[in-house]
Amino acid sequence: NAGVTQTPKFRVLKTGQSMTLLCAQDMNHEYMYWYRQDPGMGLRLIHYSVGEGTTAKGEVPDGYNVSRLKKQNFLLGLESAAPSQTSVYFCASSYTPTGTSYGYTFGSGTRLTVV
Amino acid sequence: AQTVTQSQPEMSVQEAETVTLSCTYDTSESDYYLFWYKQPPSRQMILVIRQEAYKQQNATENRFSVNFQKAAKSFSLKISDSQLGDAAMYFCAYRSATVAGNQFYFGTGTSLTVIP
Repeated sequence: NAGVTQTPKFRVLKTGQSMTLLCAQDMNHEYMYWYRQDPGMGLRLIHYSVGEGTTAKGEVPDGYNVSRLKKQNFLLGLESAAPSQTSVYFCASSYTPTGTSYGYTFGSGTRLTVV
Repeated sequence: AQTVTQSQPEMSVQEAETVTLSCTYDTSESDYYLFWYKQPPSRQMILVIRQEAYKQQNATENRFSVNFQKAAKSFSLKISDSQLGDAAMYFCAYRSATVAGNQFYFGTGTSLTVIP
């Protein structure tokens, strides 16, 4: 089925460890996004990409890096995990030429716990 | 940056009754889109309904409808004939129609409980 696939779905890290979250979409979407969801704070944008080879910072980019080497993949990296990065991470993609009202297609989320 | 405010952290409704979830937003733009997303316990984000700002007519999707008041910057969601499956977290979201990147801005969510 077409959609957005996130891996892994769950992960526990120790403080200082690194990891990469993978987001893959098969809908040929140009735009991809990484959000984090925390209780009482909704979804906040970490980084986003408007096309292959491009990335940009969102609202809460500190402590994260991203790469979009292939159009279908958007990777989120944590170089040195901190307990404050304990969260649920969502990837989303969108086909958003100017003037359309398409919504996001979301992945199923990754629950990350940093101890 | 745009802000989206959901002032009701929690709401409850009796099964088969109607409930309205509130959302306000702040923007200086004239062209934008508004959305309601549902997040059940499975964590999956599901698009419920969307509204184009240039349309005066309120969007409707089966039991879900919105009351869009552009001048007041208000975008409420009405759920009619509530069902147990409607229990979820609901997020209001804003997206610019013109800004490059077109990222969404989300509210903090309203947790809806449906009472049998």
